[in-house]
Order: sequence, then structure tokens, then C-alpha cells
Amino acid sequence: GAGVSQSPRYKVAKRGQDVALRCDPISGHVSLFWYQQALGQGPEFLTYFQNEAQLDKSGLPSDRFFAERPEGSVSTLKIQRTQQEDSAVYLCASTRGLGTDTQYFGPGTRLTVL
Amino acid sequence: GENVEQHPSTLSVQEGDSAVIKCTYSDSASNYFPWYKQELGKRPQLIIDIRSNVGEKKDQRIAVTLNKTAKHFSLHITETQPEDSAVYFCAASKRDDKIIFGKGTRLHILP
Repeated sequence: GAGVSQSPRYKVAKRGQDVALRCDPISGHVSLFWYQQALGQGPEFLTYFQNEAQLDKSGLPSDRFFAERPEGSVSTLKIQRTQQEDSAVYLCASTRGLGTDTQYFGPGTRLTVL
Repeated sequence: GENVEQHPSTLSVQEGDSAVIKCTYSDSASNYFPWYKQELGKRPQLIIDIRSNVGEKKDQRIAVTLNKTAKHFSLHITETQPEDSAVYFCAASKRDDKIIFGKGTRLHILP
């Protein structure tokens, strides 16, 4: 079946612009995670949904970052007033059930802020 | 919160030799420890995982060991091949919680 997909795959934004990154999890997967991966680093947790409920957003670096999953499937990560330090790959992962199930990652969105 | 330390950051081994990557974690409540392989420009792929009720798990050339008392776990790759070259990440999680990743080990398999 189809895996986790993300769009766009690449995004270039001018500093100060708003961006929206989309994640389509595997159909029926309950949990959805967002991570930020800077160059040469491991993925850093941003936020986590179980169905439509955002259970943990402790990793969001500032109030410019906002995520939603209104119908418990597709999720959008929005970054307002982008800054150069926001440049990274944003990874989405989904799991069939609880957080400690196997996480399946999407291909990521590479965001470059100029 | 949980903190995962991973060593070494870079590892070079001769093709056919074994590679070992070690990780420690801080939260004794963590009970799930996956390992991911990430090739350049690709997504992380789960290669093996272990839960806290076992001490060792093996899948062909890959094995993982867990020492809950010492709070450390290790990845062992035997008979390394060129296609094993990649960045490997360890991670730790507890029930219903986020996964915390280590900073990664870049593994080079030398011909």
C-alpha cells in the first residue's frame, strides 16, 4: 500500500513568508508525528497527534510553529514569518496505533529560508 | 525529559568486519528502542527495534542488545557490506510518548 507522503518535497521561502507543509499518513494510522532534521543532525521531535488530538507540542520551537490534524488523517505544519534558522528537513511519521509502534517516515520537505 | 546519547559520531570499518554503535538513555521509563538507517537524501528506515522485556534481538547480520540496568543499548552489524554505508540513529521512547533520537553515527564501509 501507499506509504507516508509529504508535500511539497522542496520549498524555498523568503524570510518573513508563511509556509504550510502537508503530511498524508498511511491510511488508518492513528498517530502522526512531526520532526525537524537539521543538516547532519538527528530528527528532533516537534509535535504528536493521536487521531485529531494534539497530545504533545512541547518540541515546537516557537509560537510561529503551528500544527493541525482536523479530521484525524492529513496534517499540516504551518510556520509563520519564517526565519533562516527554520531551514531544515521536516519529516512526518505515522504509526498504526500507540506511539511505541513502528514509525513509518515520509520523504520529508526540505525548507530553505533565504 | 529523555536524552539519548550516541557514539561514535563517525565510524569507518573494513568491508567484512563488524561495526558497533552504542547509545545511552536517561529516562528509566523508556521501553522501546528502535534503530533507523538513513541514506543521503532519503527518509529514515527502521532496521531493527527492541522492547524492554528482552535483552537481545537479532535479524540476519544485525543485532541489538539492551542493558536496562545501565540504560544503554547497542547495534551490531556483522560482515559489513558497502550498502551498509549510511547514517544510523538510535532512539528511545516510552508508552504513548514521542521518540527521542540520538545525533547519529555516520558509518563508512571501506573497500
